[in-house]
Amino acid sequence: QKEVEQNSGPLSVPEGAIASLNCTYSDRGSQSFFWYRQYSGKSPELIMSIYSNGDKEDGRFTAQLNKASQYVSLLIRDSQPSDSATYLCAVNRDSGYALNFGKGTSLLVTP
Amino acid sequence: SQTIHQWPATLVQPVGSPLSLECTVEGTSNPNLYWYRQAAGRGLQLLFYSVGIGQISSEVPQNLSASRPQDRQFILSSKKLLLSDSGFYLCAWSGQGDQPQHFGDGTRLSIL
Repeated sequence: QKEVEQNSGPLSVPEGAIASLNCTYSDRGSQSFFWYRQYSGKSPELIMSIYSNGDKEDGRFTAQLNKASQYVSLLIRDSQPSDSATYLCAVNRDSGYALNFGKGTSLLVTP
Repeated sequence: SQTIHQWPATLVQPVGSPLSLECTVEGTSNPNLYWYRQAAGRGLQLLFYSVGIGQISSEVPQNLSASRPQDRQFILSSKKLLLSDSGFYLCAWSGQGDQPQHFGDGTRLSIL
């Protein structure tokens, strides 16, 4: 069973700080990586997609990918209380379109 | 733009009753479609996915089934619900290739 591992948290950061969320995966053939944000009681919402090694920035969010280490991370700069949510890492399967999801990291941004 | 509709938002059903959840996508053609379940405190579990009309791949053997009668319609069914079927059911779609998945608002199912 291919796995995606995330620290469940909660990760607590003060408002304005950088939040760093990490994810490791076991399927060496994976080529597509996604971060989703899920507020309590709501459905997941796509934040970032990353396909190549290195960094990809979108506003306050930066996704980092290292395929050799099978590691993907999400940095949130200038964290806001509204960023408090569970962040899900998703990795495509080598065998097709389906995604494997981690169980998520709970982030709490304190004012 | 593409939108995904999922209903109902909440559902309370007795054990042993049937189930039908429906999901439709607008604004795209030939999407890949997915059904997930998220149990309390657990991760997203892929139940079924479909790459075309009538094509269903099952991930977990259980008392649920899925059908895709039209290009943008995906239905999750059960003949007899179990207590363990409780959870948050999410439908998602994606384009072809390495495209991200986009989720509907979900159905919260409680079995009594």
